[in-house]
Amino acid sequence: AQKVTQAQTEISVVEKEDVTLDCVYETRDTTYYLFWYKQPPSGELVFLIRRNSFDEQNEISGRYSWNFQKSTSSFNFTITASQVVDSAVYFCALSEDSNYQLIWGAGTKLIIKP
Amino acid sequence: DSGVTQTPKHLITATGQRVTLRCSPRSGDLSVYWYQQSLDQGLQFLIQYYNGEERAKGNILERFSAQQFPDLHSELNLSSLELGDSALYFCASSVAGGPFAEAFFGQGTRLTVV
Repeated sequence: AQKVTQAQTEISVVEKEDVTLDCVYETRDTTYYLFWYKQPPSGELVFLIRRNSFDEQNEISGRYSWNFQKSTSSFNFTITASQVVDSAVYFCALSEDSNYQLIWGAGTKLIIKP
Repeated sequence: DSGVTQTPKHLITATGQRVTLRCSPRSGDLSVYWYQQSLDQGLQFLIQYYNGEERAKGNILERFSAQQFPDLHSELNLSSLELGDSALYFCASSVAGGPFAEAFFGQGTRLTVV
């Protein structure tokens, strides 16, 4: 069955530190999609990135980068030089070609201290 | 601002009552999704509509129902409410209806059942 595990419940770092949020997924499909969403204290969910299972190329967007490794079923998210505004809950999610619904991880609460 | 509008933002009601949550998708988006976020269950997919038709169904209780109207707005009806239905209900929309779709979320409706 499909599953997304975010083992880190909460991470606290000091501003300007680099931080990596882990995401491990399980799926039997060969075609699937992985997502990261951010939920700031204001509550809305903000889309960050989507990756499909055929594209293992890592992605960098400013201070954000994502490392997708099919061999370890992981899709980790790194924030470089973290800022207080990065404080939020970050969710990893999975959808499959055979199952349209998004399966969500439990989320990682990231606290960036000034 | 994601462009997805949910009303009301907050709702307090008594057990046994019925409520309707409303969602207006982003202009041009054909697909609408409903999610429930609670402390114990996390984020759960409820249901998806695409251009007026039900596309996918998740962990939606029989007491809950939804529909998407010709103007593409959607309503989620929750009846015979129980204390455990207290949660944040999100609506999201996307242009496409497939599992790869990047969804934009509204700010949510916080439902409190007393």
